[in-house]
Amino acid sequence: DGGITQSPKYLFRKEGQNVTLSCEQNLNHDAMYWYRQDPGQGLRLIYYSQIVNDFQKGDIAEGYSVSREKKESFPLTVTSAQKNPTAFYLCDSSGGHNSYDEQYFGPGTRLTVT
Amino acid sequence: QQPVQSPQAVILREGEDAVINCSSSKALYSVHWYRQKHGEAPVFLMILLKGGEQKGHDKISASFNEKKQQSSLYLTASQLSYSGTYFCGTDRYSGGGADGLTFGKGTHLIIQP
Repeated sequence: DGGITQSPKYLFRKEGQNVTLSCEQNLNHDAMYWYRQDPGQGLRLIYYSQIVNDFQKGDIAEGYSVSREKKESFPLTVTSAQKNPTAFYLCDSSGGHNSYDEQYFGPGTRLTVT
Repeated sequence: QQPVQSPQAVILREGEDAVINCSSSKALYSVHWYRQKHGEAPVFLMILLKGGEQKGHDKISASFNEKKQQSSLYLTASQLSYSGTYFCGTDRYSGGGADGLTFGKGTHLIIQP
């Protein structure tokens, strides 16, 4: 079955530690995205990549980093510079290069930093 | 420029209809609608495109008024499974490229038996 996987589902870290969230897709999609969701809020775009070896900052990129070395994978690192890292992180992908292509979300990773 | 959704919340009896609105302060190329259940990822419902094309769910309809920069989602004869939070997403840039979406804060829909 084609889809997007994110791991782990729940992640706990101490303040000051970097943590990397995994996102893998086997849909052969070119574009991949990372969003963050806080309680009672909509999703906010962190980073996105339209093609391998290229990525752009979204609306709230500070304190985060990404890489896109393979088409299937788009890991997100939450660094110690991110002031409020506790959130629900969602990865999604899109098959085309247009805003009207359907986007499919992975199941998400809930990160708690104490 | 985050789109504005209304109402913030609505409670219905099963079988009743609901309308959820999404307004933007900038020109839109496409509007995406998602439903999210508590603790889960958003699920794609529909895309509406400038020019009138729609892609998506066969039991949910929507409209897109380009001039007013608004979209509305129509849920008719609501079922218990329709409960959740509905989000609209609009293009970050008006050109229609794959640059990600800007989402509204959501509309909470509760369907009671």
